[in-house]
Amino acid sequence: ILNVEQSPQSLHVQEGDSTNFTCSFPSSNFYALHWYRWETAKSPEALFVMTLNGDEKKKGRISATLNTKEGYSYLYIKGSQPEDSATYLCAFISGNQFYFGTGTSLTVIP
Amino acid sequence: DAGVIQSPRHEVTEMGQEVTLRCKPISGHNSLFWYRQTMMRGLELLIYFNNNVPIDDSGMPEDRFSAKMPNASFSTLKIQPSEPRDSAVYFCASSWSPAGGETQYFGPGTRLLVL
Repeated sequence: ILNVEQSPQSLHVQEGDSTNFTCSFPSSNFYALHWYRWETAKSPEALFVMTLNGDEKKKGRISATLNTKEGYSYLYIKGSQPEDSATYLCAFISGNQFYFGTGTSLTVIP
Repeated sequence: DAGVIQSPRHEVTEMGQEVTLRCKPISGHNSLFWYRQTMMRGLELLIYFNNNVPIDDSGMPEDRFSAKMPNASFSTLKIQPSEPRDSAVYFCASSWSPAGGETQYFGPGTRLLVL
């Protein structure tokens, strides 16, 4: 059984704070890593697809880095806003298999 | 583009009944994925198709579950007979790539309750 771990499980930050969380995955047989933003009662929304070691991707205030050799990816949110409150989910893809983490639940307090 | 369309959005049925969930992927996408979300297990990939052909169905829970993709614009996930433990949200997603190298776009999900 392949383990994809996300930490922390939940996070509360003040509006304006910057924050980051981690997705850890096996360092072998890497194909791709996905980050999703998932608001309650909605469907997951893709943020990033990362395929190369050292990849850095950015979308507005959100960015992500990838280290396939050590098996982790960081997601950063700069200047958190209340609308960033959601669960952030990563998925590790290896071969034909998709392995999801359990997510980091972010609450941004106004 | 309307995005990924799923129907019905909600389904309540009794144990033993057949349930059919439907999905229309984004036009032009060649890969379609069926997921199930439960409290206990989070998000799980059930099966995915590339060019209408099932590539990996190792996530399908058991023989009661079957999925088809008769053409590029339509897929079904069928549960027969349904059981209370099948209650979950079922998501369909589509993508340009079968193997996870491209963004997946999720539908709104079907909330299934089996009594």
